[in-house]
Amino acid sequence: GNSVTQMEGPVTLSEEAFLTINCTYTATGYPSLFWYVQYPGEGLQLLLKATKADDKGSNKGFEATYRKETTSFHLEKGSVQVSDSAVYFCALSYQGGKLIFGQGTELSVKP
Amino acid sequence: GAGVSQSPSNKVTEKGKDVELRCDPISGHTALYWYRQSLGQGLEFLIYFQGNSAPDKSGLPSDRFSAERTGGSVSTLTIQRTQQEDSAVYLCASSLEDTRTDTQYFGPGTRLTVL
Repeated sequence: GNSVTQMEGPVTLSEEAFLTINCTYTATGYPSLFWYVQYPGEGLQLLLKATKADDKGSNKGFEATYRKETTSFHLEKGSVQVSDSAVYFCALSYQGGKLIFGQGTELSVKP
Repeated sequence: GAGVSQSPSNKVTEKGKDVELRCDPISGHTALYWYRQSLGQGLEFLIYFQGNSAPDKSGLPSDRFSAERTGGSVSTLTIQRTQQEDSAVYLCASSLEDTRTDTQYFGPGTRLTVL
């Protein structure tokens, strides 16, 4: 079946450090891939997405590339800020737009 | 414009009672989804509606759960005879269409606590 696996958290970084959160997926067909973010006390919001192989999604300095050959969609940011502290969810969408989420990775950025 | 709204924001109920959770999607969005976020299970799909088509109920965990969408807009998720394991945050999302490329916009959720 379809599934998403994320690296476990929590991840703790110092401000301006480089961030990578790994995400791999298993899917039949050609899913779209998403990163959603949940800031403390707020709802889920889309961070970025990619709808086909080799697409790169980007937003707010975050990037992720849809790699079909490695079934991955790793999230990266070159220099994190305290305000990036949140829980990040990788997800895939297939039939009917239903989202399958990874377990979430909590990121804490220290000044 | 207005986003997805949900009510109530918090609901505390006793085991065995029925509860109703409401979702107002973004105007013009034809697809509406319900998810559940719990510590043990993470974020899981429950049910979705697209236009006038029959809903996809494949994620509902038991027959105590049901949902309806009236007039292609507002949706209500009903949990009958609540159990403690139903305690979770119930999230509603809507999107323009139900294709795999559409972005889903999430509401703030309803936190359900079953005592």
